[in-house]
Amino acid sequence: GGIITQTPKFLIGQEGQKLTLKCQQNFNHDTMYWYRQDSGKGLRLIYYSITENDLQKGDLSEGYDASREKKSSFSLTVTSAQKNEMAVFLCASRPTISNERLFFGHGTKLSVL
Amino acid sequence: AQSVTQPDARVTVSEGASLQLRCKYSYSATPYLFWYVQYPRQGLQLLLKYYSGDPVVQGVNSFEAEFSKSNSSFHLQKASVHWSDSAVYFCALSPASSGSWQLIFGSGTQLTVMP
Repeated sequence: GGIITQTPKFLIGQEGQKLTLKCQQNFNHDTMYWYRQDSGKGLRLIYYSITENDLQKGDLSEGYDASREKKSSFSLTVTSAQKNEMAVFLCASRPTISNERLFFGHGTKLSVL
Repeated sequence: AQSVTQPDARVTVSEGASLQLRCKYSYSATPYLFWYVQYPRQGLQLLLKYYSGDPVVQGVNSFEAEFSKSNSSFHLQKASVHWSDSAVYFCALSPASSGSWQLIFGSGTQLTVMP
């Protein structure tokens, strides 16, 4: 079996700060995703990548950048943290081009002071 | 545009009672449908999935779901819940077309099982 590792688990930032979240997977999956989870709003797609160096915007991409320099890693940058922002960012991966299940990491919880 | 609606934000049931968590979807064709569960401080885990065929699908921990094309629904059910089933449950849809990578989630239902 494999695992998805998200770092850090908790991230505290200041308003206006640029913050980077990292995700590593050892499944050798092609496709990786970043979702944002807000209480009562479910999961919303920020970015996804179907292969190394590929980036596709989701519905919530404004205010974020992403990078997929290696097949195993997918990082997300909050370009300017918003005051009092609080959310959980979930990384996920999927094995093939078919519509198979996603595997999720445990999340990074972001708080902005 | 495709979407998933979970009309109940919170559901509370007693241990041993039966359970139904509702999910309605909007999509022009038959999608692939999933139920995921998120236990406290853990990542989402797949409970079950529907691709085609028998509309009743079995999942882990005695959960099952029934797909209804006429009602555009995919409700999750369990005959007898346990306190350890307390978690957040997400219904999700993936368009059944090649080259479609997105998984669209509902807003989730927080299930609390009372002892």
